[in-house]
Amino acid sequence: QVQLVQSGAEVKRPGASVKVSCKASGYTLTRYPMHWLRQAPGQGLEWMGTINPSGGSTSYAQKFQGRVTMTRDTSTSTVYMELSSLRSEDTAVYYCARDKGWNYHYFDYWGQGTLVTVSS
Amino acid sequence: EIVLTQSPGTLSLSPGERATLSCRASQSVSSSYLAWCQQKPGQAPRLLIYGASSRATGIPDRFSGSGSGTDFTLTISRLEPEDFAVYYCQQYSSSPYTFGQGTKLEIK
Repeated sequence: QVQLVQSGAEVKRPGASVKVSCKASGYTLTRYPMHWLRQAPGQGLEWMGTINPSGGSTSYAQKFQGRVTMTRDTSTSTVYMELSSLRSEDTAVYYCARDKGWNYHYFDYWGQGTLVTVSS
Repeated sequence: EIVLTQSPGTLSLSPGERATLSCRASQSVSSSYLAWCQQKPGQAPRLLIYGASSRATGIPDRFSGSGSGTDFTLTISRLEPEDFAVYYCQQYSSSPYTFGQGTKLEIK
């Protein structure tokens, strides 16, 4: 069965970077795009960007351009999301989510979420 | 950017009742590229509906979606105890892919 397992919670200082991993199993990573989304405490969902695990190409929401980097390691079926220059407003649960397929852009499987807390 | 507005913010109903949730878009969502997902406390969202009206794998048929253009509806025909959760609509017509602010369905 398809599973997306994310890395554990992180606490970071303002200005630091965080790198969250998402390990896929139960399917071939390179056959589906992967997205990253986040949810601030008590708030709604926000799309951050997507990566094509096959070739590594990415597309980021304008809000995160210049601060986010999505990468993948096909040998371990893992995708990564790194967010830099962290500020308190980046405190959120970060999710990876599998795209239904090429050019669909909705999400049929989700990771369990990773809480990132930014605090001095 | 397409802004999605969901109503009501909170819906209080009893098990067995019918729930009707609304999602309105700031501009037309082409090809009905609209999805609905359900989120329970402490859990990741779960896909319910895509293409405005197609149920995702394993979703009971008491969940149905309808609408086109700028107005969409999620209907739960007879509420089960496990249906009380937060529901989000999401458009995937154009990037950035955006979500509504959610409707909380609570037990009356």
